[in-house]
Amino acid sequence: SQQGEEDPQALSIQEGENATMNCSYKTSINNLQWYRQNSGRGLVHLILIRSNEREKHSGRLRVTLDTSKKSSSLLITASRAADTASYFCATNRGTNAGKSTFGDGTTLTVKP
Amino acid sequence: GAVVSQHPSWVICKSGTSVKIECRSLDFQATTMFWYRQFPKQSLMLMATSNEGSKATYEQGVEKDKFLINHASLTLSTLTVTSAHPEDSSFYICSARDMTRGSSYNEQFFGPGTRLTVL
Repeated sequence: SQQGEEDPQALSIQEGENATMNCSYKTSINNLQWYRQNSGRGLVHLILIRSNEREKHSGRLRVTLDTSKKSSSLLITASRAADTASYFCATNRGTNAGKSTFGDGTTLTVKP
Repeated sequence: GAVVSQHPSWVICKSGTSVKIECRSLDFQATTMFWYRQFPKQSLMLMATSNEGSKATYEQGVEKDKFLINHASLTLSTLTVTSAHPEDSSFYICSARDMTRGSSYNEQFFGPGTRLTVL
């Protein structure tokens, strides 16, 4: 299996509810990033969390990182229909190469 | 934040022709750019790492003679899909790393992607 696996693969919620997506990885990392991708569009960077950080917030987004469990979660609070998109986690390993390894993604649908 | 552009945003071509996709870092210099491919409803798969002034590094299973990469300047990398076939139809996304930040930062900035359709 590959580095960076998200679960669930698909999530459907009502507007106003919170959405939680999880990402697991297998090797040590330098940082982990979350991205959003609307259908057929490019990636939008949401948040970067470094390996020495445990939690970060950005607006309605909260990301946690547990390096002992090699997992991260993305929480979107008070979801909106506009949050409907695919969400990917991407890990960067502790090298200077900087290339990201992407997970399979979670498709989030927020119903109005 | 740093901006990366891609051109064209979409392209349709006939089987057997070659297509060039450009990736530019608009407001920063990038010694390293990355090329990803994404098939419908799938994740991004790294194809190659483009290094300014040197040969690209290809991931296992990616044909370097089919996907030609040139990184001639600190702000431009190009991917040429040679003799394109329908199975090459995909969404191609580049990313660039801001070299002014420390090596431990490693944040990449992604382009908007290029959708290639080969008839």
